[in-house]
Amino acid sequence: GENVEQHPSTLSVQEGDSAVIKCTYSDSASNYFPWYKQELGKRPQLIIDIRSNVGEKKDQRIAVTLNKTAKHFSLHITETQPEDSAVYFCAAIFSSNTGKLIFGQGTTLQVKP
Amino acid sequence: NAGVTQTPKFQVLKTGQSMTLQCAQDMNHEYMSWYRQDPGMGLRLIHYSVGAGITDQGEVPNGYNVSRSTTEDFPLRLLSAAPSQTSVYFCASRDGGQQYFGPGTRLTVT
Repeated sequence: GENVEQHPSTLSVQEGDSAVIKCTYSDSASNYFPWYKQELGKRPQLIIDIRSNVGEKKDQRIAVTLNKTAKHFSLHITETQPEDSAVYFCAAIFSSNTGKLIFGQGTTLQVKP
Repeated sequence: NAGVTQTPKFQVLKTGQSMTLQCAQDMNHEYMSWYRQDPGMGLRLIHYSVGAGITDQGEVPNGYNVSRSTTEDFPLRLLSAAPSQTSVYFCASRDGGQQYFGPGTRLTVT
């Protein structure tokens, strides 16, 4: 079935350390993989995305890597700051014709000052 | 642009009542979706639409109906509310890329 698995569910790091969140997806035809950040009481906001013709994408302290063969992708945050504390969601498009976007279960990241 | 708007922001229902959550977008996006968010469960897709007149079921469609008569509007109907439908509901729209979320509706069913 259509599924996105996300790990870990919670992650605690010291300020300045790196954080890595991993996701796997079930449909080899998926071709779009966004990451969202959700602060408490707010709506999810896109922070970075990657398409299947690209292996890695960076935006300042944030990077996403994609391994299509293994059907997994990861979010990397370097030099973490307290304001990075939030819930992070990965997602994958299932069937580009429908735009059906399925999300992982979320990772609560806590950055300790 | 207002982006994606949702009403109401908060709602309390009694078991068995029906109601409609409203969603509208002014970005001329073809794709629109409804998600519910529960602690530890992430964002689960309820229904989605690829354009006016076309809707389909997502991961958790039971107890909900949708329609898409215009590109702008995508209302979600709860036919007979149950306590299990207590949740935060997000509407979203997207073009071929980024998906934008509305501010959410917090629904409590007693």
